[in-house]
Parts: sequence; structure tokens; C-alpha cells
Amino acid sequence: QLQLQESGPGLLKPSETLSLTCTVSGGSITTPTYYWGWIRQPPGKGLGWIGTIYYTGSTYYGPSLKSRVTISVDTSKNQFSLKLNSVTAADTAVYYCARRVYYYDSSGYRHWYFDLWGRGTLVTVSS
Amino acid sequence: SSELTQDPAVSAALGQTVRITCQGDSLRTYSASWYQQKPRQAPLLVIYGRDNRPSGIPDRFSGSSSGNTASLTITGAQAEDEADYYCKSRDTSGNYVVFGGGTKLTVL
Repeated sequence: QLQLQESGPGLLKPSETLSLTCTVSGGSITTPTYYWGWIRQPPGKGLGWIGTIYYTGSTYYGPSLKSRVTISVDTSKNQFSLKLNSVTAADTAVYYCARRVYYYDSSGYRHWYFDLWGRGTLVTVSS
Repeated sequence: SSELTQDPAVSAALGQTVRITCQGDSLRTYSASWYQQKPRQAPLLVIYGRDNRPSGIPDRFSGSSSGNTASLTITGAQAEDEADYYCKSRDTSGNYVVFGGGTKLTVL
């Protein structure tokens, strides 16, 4: 059964770079119908999409963090990673990695959704 | 602010039917998926592609959509359904993934 696991430092100082890795186990990151995403959740708040990557390296970023975010993939390690530079206290959040998949309905319409999530990792930004 | 609007909180008596709604112009074009999140847990997909349930999700969960509103219905709410529920879709341009602000469901 495929599983996702986030890893990386849990405490950063303002202006540092957040670096997280999501390790995919029990399946291949290069499966053609799978995309891979990062989502975050500030304490007590809702979910926010950061971005998505395909195993070929194609990336899709949300508008609010686009200028500070880089998502990359390492197919040899079955991992994908998130880098967020110049962090502030507002970047304190639980960061989730997730698998994004799609299916076509009978009308040929493609439906997207996140079907599998990691457990999340809390990153705190504090001086 | 989110392009998908959810009521912050709803409540239901045990065994009652409860509907959680998600509104947004993009829902006229794009389908919604729904996620359940219990405290200190990762979100769990409960509905995708308007009205499909992943394996293991009870059939009391169902989804629907009309116009600019997507709905998650729990027919006969159980105590274990108490959680935050988030809808997800795209923004009106279709370029970005967006989540609703979430609805906290209390089962009385």
C-alpha cells in the first residue's frame, strides 16, 4: 500500500529556507496517472494548496507563494521536495504532501482530487 | 480569502441528516472533492468526482452539485463523523487548486 512521509526540520528562524521532503513508499513516483502535491495548514486554520509536481518535473504553483516556492522531484529516490525561502512567522504550519489523481467520467470530464496524504509535519518559524 | 465559501460550523443531532455546502463560481465548471479532518490527523478523502466514495468510506456520505454549489450530505450522522470538512476544486481560471475555508461539524 502506497504511503507518503514528510521529513525535514521542524524549527526555522525568520529569513531561512524551509526544506521538506516527501518520501513515497509502496509504489512508484513515476506512475503516469499520479501527480504529487504540497498543502499546508496554519495552526487553527484551513488548508492551502502550495503546488503540484509531475514526475517529469512539470510544476504548478499557487499564486500566493509562487515567488518563494520551488518543488522538485527525485525519481531515483522516489521523493519530491518543497523549498520555501525567506520564511516568516506566517509560514508556521503543518505541511502535508499528498498524491493527486484523476479519473474520467462517462462524459469524458476529468475529475481531480487528492486521494492519499502524508501525516504532515509541523514547521515553526520563530526567532 | 477563499474562492470557495463554506459555513464555518454546522451541528446535527445523532442520526440526523446534515448537509455541508460549498459555494463558488468555479463550481459551475469544475467538480468538488471533499475531505474530512479530525483533530491532529491528516485530511481524508470522503467524496470525489461529485459523488464517488473511496473504498472504506461509509455510504452515509454522499455528494451532489447544482449550479455554483457543491454539497456533502451525511445521512444519519454518527458521533465519529464529528470533524472539519473541506471542499476542494479549482479557481475560476482553472489554473489553481483551491480549498474552501472548512466547516466544523458537531454531532450532538
